[in-house]
Amino acid sequence: RKEVEQDPGPFNVPEGATVAFNCTYSNSASQSFFWYRQDCRKEPKLLMSVYSSGNEDGRFTAQLNRASQYISLLIRDSKLSDSATYLCVVNQAGTALIFGKGTTLSVSS
Amino acid sequence: DTAVSQTPKYLVTQMGNDKSIKCEQNLGHDTMYWYKQDSKKFLKIMFSYNNKELIINETVPNRFSPKSPDKAHLNLHINSLELGDSAVYFCASSQAGAEETQYFGPGTRLLVL
Repeated sequence: RKEVEQDPGPFNVPEGATVAFNCTYSNSASQSFFWYRQDCRKEPKLLMSVYSSGNEDGRFTAQLNRASQYISLLIRDSKLSDSATYLCVVNQAGTALIFGKGTTLSVSS
Repeated sequence: DTAVSQTPKYLVTQMGNDKSIKCEQNLGHDTMYWYKQDSKKFLKIMFSYNNKELIINETVPNRFSPKSPDKAHLNLHINSLELGDSAVYFCASSQAGAEETQYFGPGTRLLVL
């Protein structure tokens, strides 16, 4: 079983749509959780951390379910500029980040 | 101001050659990393240094040798390059450990012919 699994997509949605990405992780000792965004031929950049209580940043909402070892990202009112690959990332104490393979989103007008 | 910089941006070389990639961060971070992103876009940790000391060394061929002359620099030297080494190599840094936000460099695209 892969350590961090994501649906690779692609997700093709029109502008204004709401889209949700899911991610599962295998190690129950994982302590920190993130969503990173990677544009084509660019470096990954932190989109948001994910907290147990869930958190929101503008149009983006992240949720964590430790019991199910499941993380989600919801994007509301999609913009063309949201087109990118979204990487689910998990960390255990004292180790490096473990990246999922990413979910590709394409928003069209 | 560039936070994490890497040189070169592109590197095309022949099998069997030895090459180096340099990384510098001006964020004052204590920890630096090297990641490899292969053709399937899978991003995987290779090494991590904290204050010039190696703290993570994943299963990487010993042809790859990181060197940290100071905490702002982490270079990657690759001996006897092989076709399978072709990938994008990203350097990153974080304030403390990996639980902190990591800032990535722009990547070095290595093609081994």
